[in-house]
Amino acid sequence: GNSVTQMEGPVTLSEEAFLTINCTYTATGYPSLFWYVQYPGEGLQLLLKATKADDKGSNKGFEATYRKETTSFHLEKGSVQVSDSAVYFCALRSRSNDYKLSFGAGTTVTVRA
Amino acid sequence: EAQVTQNPRYLITVTGKKLTVTCSQNMNHEYMSWYRQDPGLGLRQIYYSMNVEVTDKGDVPEGYKVSRKEKRNFPLILESPSPNQTSLYFCASSSRQGPTGELFFGEGSRLTVL
Repeated sequence: GNSVTQMEGPVTLSEEAFLTINCTYTATGYPSLFWYVQYPGEGLQLLLKATKADDKGSNKGFEATYRKETTSFHLEKGSVQVSDSAVYFCALRSRSNDYKLSFGAGTTVTVRA
Repeated sequence: EAQVTQNPRYLITVTGKKLTVTCSQNMNHEYMSWYRQDPGLGLRQIYYSMNVEVTDKGDVPEGYKVSRKEKRNFPLILESPSPNQTSLYFCASSSRQGPTGELFFGEGSRLTVL
């Protein structure tokens, strides 16, 4: 079945530091890949997505590239801010699994001023 | 405003007392789903629905029921809650545009079963 493995946290950074969160996946067929973000006390919201190999998703300074050869979708941001403190979830969705969104365990990121 | 609305947002109940968490979306989405979020486990799917009157089990369906009588509503029913169902629950929906479609999430319902 489909599964997502992401880097365990928590991760603590200083403002303006570089952030990377690793994500690898196992899936049948050609899944779409997503990063969702959950700010404290809120629901999940889509941060970015990529729907085919070599696609790059980007939003709010975050980027992730769909790498089929390494089955990876690592999230990166060059200069984090305190407002980026949140829980980040890597996820995949495929037609072969009835469109279920399969999540990684989540990575808690705290950015200090 | 496009949204997924869950109620209640917070609930403390006792073992065995039936409860329903409602979920409603105003985007005319065909697909709806319930997840529970537990520390270290991420989000796990409980049930999902591809359309009205079509529901199916997710990864952790035990102890839960759902129904989909109308397109906009997808309530989650706990017939006899137990403490291991203490969790944060999310309802989500999307249009049936294949696997590329974004899921829209409600704000969550935090349930405590004593």
